[in-house]
Amino acid sequence: NAGVTQTPKFRVLKTGQSMTLLCAQDMNHEYMYWYRQDPGMGLRLIHYSVGEGTTAKGEVPDGYNVSRLKKQNFLLGLESAAPSQTSVYFCASTPTGVGEQYFGPGTRLTVT
Amino acid sequence: GQQVMQIPQYQHVQEGEDFTTYCNSSTTLSNIQWYKQRPGGHPVFLIQLVKSGEVKKQKRLTFQFGEAKKNSSLHITATQTTDVGTYFCAGPGNNDMRFGAGTRLTVKP
Repeated sequence: NAGVTQTPKFRVLKTGQSMTLLCAQDMNHEYMYWYRQDPGMGLRLIHYSVGEGTTAKGEVPDGYNVSRLKKQNFLLGLESAAPSQTSVYFCASTPTGVGEQYFGPGTRLTVT
Repeated sequence: GQQVMQIPQYQHVQEGEDFTTYCNSSTTLSNIQWYKQRPGGHPVFLIQLVKSGEVKKQKRLTFQFGEAKKNSSLHITATQTTDVGTYFCAGPGNNDMRFGAGTRLTVKP
């Protein structure tokens, strides 16, 4: 039981490049979330999903897209990376919308 | 949307001293959660409080939920170096939890 995994762990992008971050969970959780964490700003919700095939915007969705084609996977895409997207990205999952959240190890992204 | 405010932002203590972080909301919360994030790590769930005035303990950690369910606190007695990290509170939003900015605790041996 791996819990929540994220790939890659680290990535450096140049401005304008695109990439996809993958989150996978093996706990059969319905809800999945993408957060970004910046110094002094806590965790800010980017997008979330309440089940396979669904997505919804969080607090800071601009510049990101997501897909939930399979229940266990939640993908976060950056179509044209900007330096303001330099951050640590965390994925989380939970059985219900207000229950304990299980976090992945994070992806540290730098955009130059 | 609903927001939770946390204070202080930073706290530096000598090992053995006590530590408290506070979480406040302008609206009534149905529940509140607390997480700990070690340096370089990811947030890990500590506890969830649901009832008005609820108090829960985990060894040296004491969690309280206010009577009006608008505030909460985490108190650590006799801090140890293993307590270092950032402590977050989180309150329910729409199908998600909204996190406070966190309190970073450092402990001097």
